[in-house]
Order: sequence, then structure tokens, then C-alpha cells
Amino acid sequence: DTAVSQTPKYLVTQMGNDKSIKCEQNLGHDTMYWYKQDSKKFLKIMFSYNNKELIINETVPNRFSPKSPDKAHLNLHINSLELGDSAVYFCASSQGHNSNQPQHFGDGTRLSIL
Amino acid sequence: KQEVTQIPAALSVPEGENLVLNCSFTDSAIYNLQWFRQDPGKGLTSLLLIQSSQREQTSGRLNASLDKSSGRSTLYIAASQPGDSATYLCAVSPGSGSARQLTFGSGTQLTVLP
Repeated sequence: DTAVSQTPKYLVTQMGNDKSIKCEQNLGHDTMYWYKQDSKKFLKIMFSYNNKELIINETVPNRFSPKSPDKAHLNLHINSLELGDSAVYFCASSQGHNSNQPQHFGDGTRLSIL
Repeated sequence: KQEVTQIPAALSVPEGENLVLNCSFTDSAIYNLQWFRQDPGKGLTSLLLIQSSQREQTSGRLNASLDKSSGRSTLYIAASQPGDSATYLCAVSPGSGSARQLTFGSGTQLTVLP
């Protein structure tokens, strides 16, 4: 029944490694997002895709590469992980990127870099 | 650049009290404003969405108001309960541009004491 699901829930890895976080939504939405929540709990948009096309790409290092194989999935791949990448990453979805529909969030992926 | 501020950062009240959480934003050209709730270790749950043309929205014991011209919104919680304990986040969507990415405040951490 989970509307927006992310895997894994926890990710602990060494600096320099490459890792991926997966996100899937079963709400039939056409827009998906990735947010980063830092240690001070501040949430900031990273990327947004509408119908598999990138529409938002905030100032994020190019080590972060989102991939949307279809409307229901938006995965996040991170190369050469750094200590500063430690955060909680949230996936979200909504119907229409230009509408008054609320965004629905996953439970987050807690990434810790050793 | 839009900035969203929430006051207070933390609030502790006894059960049964009515309370108000405040949100202010610097750019009044918004598309909508949303209030979210975040429980520890969980994602965000959308509580209320107010369109830029609206003044308020109500859901159960929650009432959110919007004064776009002054850049302010309040979330009123009536007859608070321990189950209302969570972090409440305010977010605004821009009034122009090709996408509706949310800009978040840093949240108000609410504790309702039994």
C-alpha cells in the first residue's frame, strides 16, 4: 500500500564509494522529486522529473545523477561519496509539476559516510 | 531568492491547548503554500495546501491561513493532543517558472505533553 517507497532505508558506506538509492511511486503521478535534508533538518530540492524528463536541477554536484526509467521511478546515483553527502534523502511525487496538488513523500534514505 | 522562516523553532505545550505555528516568506509571488508534518524517522505528510488565491484551509482540528501580501501563514491546532507531537514544516511553491519546486522552512518541533 506504500505510496512512495525508497530503498534502502539506511545506507552506511565508505568515502569514495558509488551508491544508488531507488524510488518508486504507485500513485500514478507524473512528477517526481529528490530532496536532501541536512543535519539541521533543512530540506532542499535537488532534482525534479516530469514524465521522465528533467525539469529542475538545482546546484548539485555532478557526482549526483538522477535516472528516471519510467514515470513511476526516479533513482539517484551518487559517485565518489564524500563526508558532506551524509544526510537523509527524500523522494516525493505529485500529479503535474504545474498544479496545486500536494507532494507525497517517501520515508527517506539515511545515508552515512564513514 | 525565496526564503522561508518558521517561528518558533520548538514549542512545548500541555495537552488540550490551542496553539499557533508561524511561517513567513520573503517573496510574495507564490503559487501555493503547504504545511507538512514530519514524525521522527519518517517522511513528510501533507496536512494542508493553500492556493495563492485562497485565504485559509481547514482539516479537522487544523486551520491554515495565508496572507500573501504580507508573506505570512499560520497553522492553528485546536485542542492539541500528544499524538500531534512532530515537526511541522511550511513550504512555498514559486509563482512563476517551469516547475513548482518547494522551498521549505526549517520547521517547528512541537511537543504536546500529556
